[in-house]
Amino acid sequence: KQEVTQIPAALSVPEGENLVLNCSFTDSAIYNLQWFRQDPGKGLTSLLLIQSSQREQTSGRLNASLDKSSGRSTLYIAASQPGDSATYLCAARPLGDKLIFGTGTRLQVFP
Amino acid sequence: ETGVTQSPTHLIKTRGQQVTLRCSSQSGHNTVSWYQQALGQGPQFIFQYYREEENGRGNFPPRFSGLQFPNYSSELNVNALELDDSALYLCASSLNRDTTSTDTQYFGPGTRLTVL
Repeated sequence: KQEVTQIPAALSVPEGENLVLNCSFTDSAIYNLQWFRQDPGKGLTSLLLIQSSQREQTSGRLNASLDKSSGRSTLYIAASQPGDSATYLCAARPLGDKLIFGTGTRLQVFP
Repeated sequence: ETGVTQSPTHLIKTRGQQVTLRCSSQSGHNTVSWYQQALGQGPQFIFQYYREEENGRGNFPPRFSGLQFPNYSSELNVNALELDDSALYLCASSLNRDTTSTDTQYFGPGTRLTVL
């Protein structure tokens, strides 16, 4: 059974810092891994999707990597801004199954 | 904006009642998935519908049921509500079933259900 874990659970950093969010999964047989952003009480916004054959994806200040052999993915946020404050969720898609989410990392970026 | 809408935004019910939540998918999306997100947790998959038929189900009891309609709208019905059903309910639409590695699900804003 696929399990997804995210570390840390919460993170508070000053504006301008580069930071890394971690996601680990127990079964390497996945179609893809996706990172989402969730603002308080809101739905999910897809940030990056990494296919199982890919190693990383980039969008603006965001870079996500995937290492299937070790069961890990990282989301790198460069030059963080207060507007980046949100909960970040990773989700693995096992073969033939639906999205399995981690519990998220709650990020606060203060001015 | 993802083009996926949900109603109502908030809802309060009492234990034992029944509730219907609604979702309108992006035009042309054949697949809708429903998730339950308890406070402080990640979303948990409830079930998925493809072209009006159930296409997979998570670890939820039969009192959680759904419908999908030809006009890209869908419903989540929960009978005999329990206190633990209090959560944010999210629907997500996608173009196809989960058969390709590039498939992306587009999430709605959610319905916050409180059971007293």
